[in-house]
Amino acid sequence: DAGVIQSPRHEVTEMGQEVTLRCKPISGHNSLFWYRQTMMRGLELLIYFNNNVPIDDSGMPEDRFSAKMPNASFSTLKIQPSEPRDSAVYFCASNRDWLTSYNEQFFGPGTRLTVL
Amino acid sequence: GQNIDQPTEMTATEGAIVQINCTYQTSGFNGLFWYQQHAGEAPTFLSYNVLDGLEEKGRFSSFLSRSKGYSYLLLKELQMKDSASYLCAVQAAGNKLTFGGGTRVLVKP
Repeated sequence: DAGVIQSPRHEVTEMGQEVTLRCKPISGHNSLFWYRQTMMRGLELLIYFNNNVPIDDSGMPEDRFSAKMPNASFSTLKIQPSEPRDSAVYFCASNRDWLTSYNEQFFGPGTRLTVL
Repeated sequence: GQNIDQPTEMTATEGAIVQINCTYQTSGFNGLFWYQQHAGEAPTFLSYNVLDGLEEKGRFSSFLSRSKGYSYLLLKELQMKDSASYLCAVQAAGNKLTFGGGTRVLVKP
């Protein structure tokens, strides 16, 4: 298996622009997670989906952030408009069988976002 | 709410042993995970504990005491490649993980 795939790996954009991050989870995994990592705040969960349905979006910072999962093999995280404080590494992760207790999450390589 | 504490940084010598502590206060508990993250890379899974006691996996071991809200990760026979951040994460409910701030371990020759 190719693992969790994220694109782009790096994104540099200007304040006010729309940014779309993409994720393909591991085939067969039921759950997908979006995280943000910064030096100041560490690794924070933004939102997660089970079977393509958003379950917990309490970590989404504000209305500028939105996430979708139209099917089991694709998800997007969109920031519109972007701001410099959104600069961070955004990770996507997936796991299987969310009803079982032992379910390690597999992380993608991340997207390093810089908003100028 | 969730509160997970671990030291910010630790330094150790190649070949030595290092113990990284993690204390947590969470509403609910379904297990505790340890992840390793090298600089510029994604976190990778190291260990999982849901019952009290020690889980051993080669040079790495993880311990859990649920009554004390305490876990540690033990790294033995340290190697230079073990220089990384180590993240403690608690699964409090459902499928959601809450991560601690991470402990950066520097292994010196």
